[in-house]
Amino acid sequence: QKEVEQNSGPLSVPEGAIASLNCTYSDRVSQSFFWYRQYSGKSPELIMSIYSNGDKEDGRFTAQLNKASQYVSLLIRDSQPSDSATYLCAVNKDNQGGKLIFGQGTELSVKP
Amino acid sequence: DVKVTQSSRYLVKRTGEKVFLECVQDMDHENMFWYRQDPGLGLRLIYFSYDVKMKEKGDIPEGYSVSREKKERFSLILESASTNQTSMYLCASRRSHRGWADTQYFGPGTRLTVL
Repeated sequence: QKEVEQNSGPLSVPEGAIASLNCTYSDRVSQSFFWYRQYSGKSPELIMSIYSNGDKEDGRFTAQLNKASQYVSLLIRDSQPSDSATYLCAVNKDNQGGKLIFGQGTELSVKP
Repeated sequence: DVKVTQSSRYLVKRTGEKVFLECVQDMDHENMFWYRQDPGLGLRLIYFSYDVKMKEKGDIPEGYSVSREKKERFSLILESASTNQTSMYLCASRRSHRGWADTQYFGPGTRLTVL
Protein backbone atom coordinates (compact mmCIF):
# COMPACT_ATOMS: atom_id res chain seq x y z
CA GLN A 1 0.00 0.00 0.00
CA LYS A 2 1.34 3.40 -0.98
CA GLU A 3 1.69 5.93 1.80
CA VAL A 4 -0.29 8.55 -0.11
CA GLU A 5 -2.79 7.52 -2.76
CA GLN A 6 -4.66 9.53 -5.33
CA ASN A 7 -6.76 8.57 -8.32
CA SER A 8 -4.57 9.28 -11.33
CA GLY A 9 -7.48 10.42 -13.47
CA PRO A 10 -7.88 12.08 -15.79
CA LEU A 11 -10.84 13.69 -14.08
CA SER A 12 -12.92 15.64 -16.55
CA VAL A 13 -15.49 18.24 -15.49
CA PRO A 14 -17.40 20.89 -17.43
CA GLU A 15 -16.62 24.55 -16.89
CA GLY A 16 -18.50 25.92 -13.89
CA ALA A 17 -18.86 22.57 -12.16
CA ILE A 18 -17.31 21.45 -8.87
CA ALA A 19 -14.17 19.34 -9.19
CA SER A 20 -13.52 16.94 -6.32
CA LEU A 21 -10.03 15.54 -5.82
CA ASN A 22 -9.37 12.88 -3.24
CA CYS A 23 -6.36 11.62 -1.33
CA THR A 24 -5.90 8.92 1.30
CA TYR A 25 -2.87 8.35 3.49
CA SER A 26 -1.75 5.33 5.46
CA ASP A 27 0.10 6.69 8.51
CA ARG A 28 -2.02 8.00 11.37
CA VAL A 29 0.89 10.10 12.74
CA SER A 30 0.66 12.40 9.72
CA GLN A 31 0.22 15.96 10.91
CA SER A 32 -0.01 18.34 7.99
CA PHE A 33 -1.40 18.09 4.50
CA PHE A 34 -0.77 20.07 1.37
CA TRP A 35 -2.29 20.41 -2.08
CA TYR A 36 -0.05 21.47 -4.96
CA ARG A 37 -1.05 22.34 -8.51
CA GLN A 38 1.30 21.52 -11.37
CA TYR A 39 0.80 22.74 -14.91
CA SER A 40 2.38 20.71 -17.68
CA GLY A 41 6.11 21.41 -17.90
CA LYS A 42 6.08 23.57 -14.78
CA SER A 43 6.98 22.96 -11.14
CA PRO A 44 4.43 22.34 -8.37
CA GLU A 45 2.95 25.38 -6.63
CA LEU A 46 1.18 25.31 -3.29
CA ILE A 47 -2.57 25.87 -3.30
CA MET A 48 -3.70 24.89 0.16
CA SER A 49 -2.45 23.52 3.43
CA ILE A 50 -4.62 22.02 6.17
CA TYR A 51 -3.76 20.75 9.63
CA SER A 52 -7.03 20.32 11.54
CA ASN A 53 -10.10 18.22 10.91
CA GLY A 54 -12.79 20.01 8.95
CA ASP A 55 -12.90 22.40 6.04
CA LYS A 56 -10.59 25.22 5.06
CA GLU A 57 -11.68 27.61 2.34
CA ASP A 58 -9.61 29.93 0.17
CA GLY A 59 -11.49 31.53 -2.69
CA ARG A 60 -12.80 28.82 -5.00
CA PHE A 61 -10.74 26.15 -3.23
CA THR A 62 -11.82 24.15 -0.17
CA ALA A 63 -9.61 21.57 1.51
CA GLN A 64 -11.28 18.96 3.71
CA LEU A 65 -9.50 16.79 6.26
CA ASN A 66 -10.80 13.76 8.13
CA LYS A 67 -8.01 12.26 10.24
CA ALA A 68 -10.19 9.42 11.54
CA SER A 69 -10.76 8.22 7.98
CA GLN A 70 -7.23 9.26 6.87
CA TYR A 71 -8.70 11.22 4.03
CA VAL A 72 -8.04 14.66 2.59
CA SER A 73 -9.80 16.23 -0.36
CA LEU A 74 -9.72 19.36 -2.48
CA LEU A 75 -12.86 20.90 -3.93
CA ILE A 76 -12.66 23.44 -6.73
CA ARG A 77 -15.87 25.40 -7.19
CA ASP A 78 -16.81 27.10 -10.46
CA SER A 79 -14.05 25.20 -12.27
CA GLN A 80 -12.31 27.08 -15.07
CA PRO A 81 -10.26 25.77 -18.01
CA SER A 82 -7.24 27.42 -16.34
CA ASP A 83 -7.67 24.93 -13.47
CA SER A 84 -6.69 22.12 -15.85
CA ALA A 85 -3.52 20.72 -14.29
CA THR A 86 -2.22 17.85 -12.18
CA TYR A 87 -2.99 18.17 -8.47
CA LEU A 88 -0.57 16.64 -6.00
CA CYS A 89 -1.46 15.69 -2.45
CA ALA A 90 1.41 15.75 0.06
CA VAL A 91 1.63 14.64 3.67
CA ASN A 92 4.12 15.54 6.39
CA LYS A 93 5.14 13.17 9.13
CA ASP A 94 7.02 14.66 12.04
CA ASN A 95 9.80 12.09 12.12
CA GLN A 96 10.86 12.27 8.49
CA GLY A 97 13.50 15.01 8.60
CA GLY A 98 11.14 17.51 7.06
CA LYS A 99 10.36 15.61 3.90
CA LEU A 100 6.88 15.43 2.42
CA ILE A 101 5.35 12.25 1.05
CA PHE A 102 3.69 12.96 -2.31
CA GLY A 103 0.89 11.14 -4.06
CA GLN A 104 1.10 10.36 -7.75
CA GLY A 105 -1.18 13.24 -8.63
CA THR A 106 -4.62 13.55 -10.23
CA GLU A 107 -4.90 15.07 -13.68
CA LEU A 108 -7.86 17.45 -13.94
CA SER A 109 -9.31 18.60 -17.24
CA VAL A 110 -11.93 21.35 -17.26
CA LYS A 111 -13.84 21.45 -20.54
CA PRO A 112 -15.22 24.78 -21.84
CA ASP B 1 8.02 35.61 -1.11
CA VAL B 2 10.27 32.59 -1.07
CA LYS B 3 12.41 32.27 -4.14
CA VAL B 4 14.05 29.03 -5.21
CA THR B 5 16.18 29.24 -8.32
CA GLN B 6 17.85 26.54 -10.37
CA SER B 7 20.89 27.11 -12.53
CA SER B 8 19.42 25.94 -15.83
CA ARG B 9 15.94 25.36 -17.26
CA TYR B 10 17.21 23.03 -19.98
CA LEU B 11 20.43 21.05 -20.13
CA VAL B 12 21.78 18.57 -22.67
CA LYS B 13 24.71 16.37 -21.71
CA ARG B 14 26.47 13.31 -23.10
CA THR B 15 26.67 9.88 -21.50
CA GLY B 16 29.55 9.68 -19.04
CA GLU B 17 29.77 13.41 -18.39
CA LYS B 18 29.79 14.76 -14.85
CA VAL B 19 26.77 17.02 -14.39
CA PHE B 20 26.18 19.67 -11.75
CA LEU B 21 22.70 21.01 -11.00
CA GLU B 22 22.61 24.01 -8.69
CA CYS B 23 19.80 25.22 -6.50
CA VAL B 24 19.71 28.44 -4.46
CA GLN B 25 17.07 29.67 -2.02
CA ASP B 26 16.92 33.15 -0.53
CA MET B 27 14.89 32.61 2.65
CA ASP B 28 17.42 31.08 5.03
CA HIS B 29 15.65 27.71 4.87
CA GLU B 30 17.19 24.76 6.68
CA ASN B 31 15.67 22.01 4.56
CA MET B 32 16.49 21.51 0.89
CA PHE B 33 15.47 18.68 -1.44
CA TRP B 34 16.20 17.23 -4.85
CA TYR B 35 13.52 15.31 -6.75
CA ARG B 36 13.20 13.88 -10.19
CA GLN B 37 9.88 13.63 -11.95
CA ASP B 38 9.08 11.22 -14.76
CA PRO B 39 5.76 10.50 -16.50
CA GLY B 40 3.81 7.85 -14.63
CA LEU B 41 6.30 7.71 -11.74
CA GLY B 42 5.48 10.95 -9.95
CA LEU B 43 7.91 12.87 -7.79
CA ARG B 44 10.75 10.76 -6.44
CA LEU B 45 13.07 12.05 -3.75
CA ILE B 46 16.76 11.71 -4.55
CA TYR B 47 18.47 13.42 -1.60
CA PHE B 48 17.62 15.96 1.03
CA SER B 49 19.44 18.06 3.58
CA TYR B 50 18.31 19.57 6.86
CA ASP B 51 21.42 21.64 7.55
CA VAL B 52 24.71 22.77 6.10
CA LYS B 53 26.99 19.82 5.33
CA MET B 54 24.19 17.40 6.26
CA LYS B 55 22.65 15.09 3.70
CA GLU B 56 20.22 12.21 3.75
CA LYS B 57 19.43 9.68 1.05
CA GLY B 58 15.97 9.75 -0.38
CA ASP B 59 14.22 6.98 -2.27
CA ILE B 60 16.46 6.84 -5.36
CA PRO B 61 20.01 8.06 -4.49
CA GLU B 62 21.90 5.65 -6.77
CA GLY B 63 23.97 7.44 -9.38
CA TYR B 64 23.69 10.81 -7.61
CA SER B 65 25.53 12.73 -4.93
CA VAL B 66 24.89 16.10 -3.30
CA SER B 67 26.77 18.94 -1.70
CA ARG B 68 25.62 21.56 0.78
CA GLU B 69 28.54 23.80 1.73
CA LYS B 70 26.41 26.89 2.29
CA LYS B 71 22.93 27.11 3.73
CA GLU B 72 21.40 28.73 0.65
CA ARG B 73 22.86 26.35 -1.93
CA PHE B 74 22.22 22.66 -2.56
CA SER B 75 23.94 20.97 -5.49
CA LEU B 76 23.03 17.71 -7.19
CA ILE B 77 25.84 15.86 -8.93
CA LEU B 78 25.53 13.14 -11.53
CA GLU B 79 28.96 11.52 -11.36
CA SER B 80 28.68 9.83 -14.75
CA ALA B 81 25.48 10.72 -16.57
CA SER B 82 23.49 7.94 -18.17
CA THR B 83 20.52 8.03 -20.52
CA ASN B 84 18.18 6.76 -17.79
CA GLN B 85 18.89 9.97 -15.87
CA THR B 86 17.08 12.00 -18.52
CA SER B 87 14.35 13.64 -16.48
CA MET B 88 12.90 16.80 -14.96
CA TYR B 89 14.86 17.67 -11.81
CA LEU B 90 13.14 19.75 -9.17
CA CYS B 91 14.72 21.45 -6.20
CA ALA B 92 12.67 22.47 -3.17
CA SER B 93 13.25 24.15 0.16
CA ARG B 94 11.45 24.27 3.49
CA ARG B 95 11.98 26.48 6.51
CA SER B 96 12.79 23.78 9.04
CA HIS B 97 12.69 20.00 9.39
CA ARG B 98 11.15 20.62 12.83
CA GLY B 99 8.29 22.73 11.52
CA TRP B 100 5.55 20.23 10.81
CA ALA B 101 3.35 22.93 9.28
CA ASP B 102 6.06 24.37 7.04
CA THR B 103 5.43 24.49 3.33
CA GLN B 104 7.82 23.12 0.75
CA TYR B 105 8.59 25.55 -2.09
CA PHE B 106 9.78 24.37 -5.49
CA GLY B 107 12.18 25.85 -7.99
CA PRO B 108 11.28 26.07 -11.70
CA GLY B 109 12.93 22.76 -12.57
CA THR B 110 15.74 21.66 -14.87
CA ARG B 111 14.90 19.43 -17.79
CA LEU B 112 18.00 17.32 -18.33
CA THR B 113 18.54 15.28 -21.47
CA VAL B 114 21.41 12.80 -21.55
CA LEU B 115 22.36 11.66 -25.06
